Amino acid sequence: DQQVKQNSPSLSVQEGRISILNCDYTNSMFDYFLWYKKYPAEGPTFLISISSIKDKNEDGRFTVFLNKSAKHLSLHIVPSQPGDSAVYFCAASAPGNQFYFGTGTSLTVIP
Amino acid sequence: ETGVTQSPTHLIKTRGQQVTLRCSSQSGHNTVSWYQQALGQGPQFIFQYYREEENGRGNFPPRFSGLQFPNYSSELNVNALELDDSALYLCASSLWTGRMNYGYTFGSGTRLTVV
Repeated sequence: DQQVKQNSPSLSVQEGRISILNCDYTNSMFDYFLWYKKYPAEGPTFLISISSIKDKNEDGRFTVFLNKSAKHLSLHIVPSQPGDSAVYFCAASAPGNQFYFGTGTSLTVIP
Repeated sequence: ETGVTQSPTHLIKTRGQQVTLRCSSQSGHNTVSWYQQALGQGPQFIFQYYREEENGRGNFPPRFSGLQFPNYSSELNVNALELDDSALYLCASSLWTGRMNYGYTFGSGTRLTVV
């Protein structure tokens, strides 16, 4: 029962362009969402979060959008840089509960 | 500020053996969660410890057990290892305030291979 889904296993983008990573969830009780970046041989590194009271959160080149009615969130990276190449996981939790992770999207930014 | 540290980084065990993985939580955090990440998958929640007690568990059998110590560090124990237990085991610490987990921070993981 995959409550958080990332349907694109991989994405390639030219340097300087926008990267858009998508995530869908099924549990309407989820109220807090995270995006993590993971390099090989390292643990996931926190990138950006959003709570369900907002529909957008921005931090530098990274913006997360939340569409609660569609149970969909997306991560926008603008402009994309080669160092952004990694696997990106979205995660969601209900209050006081554990995080459920998607299966990840491998982003490659081409110089 | 120290981060989350896990040991060992890599481990090879034989099927049927037992293994203990360790995690030191980030300073100021009081909750530890363990996740299993199989190849090509996202992390799957195993369990969470708060105040030295398990207070949440995912869909893992009882041979997966844990401990949290007064200094908030933690151990994950797996008995009767199976080949499918081969995975990256991640520990995450956070500050549980009674309503939300803040500052969810992952360690680099322990890569367990069962042969």
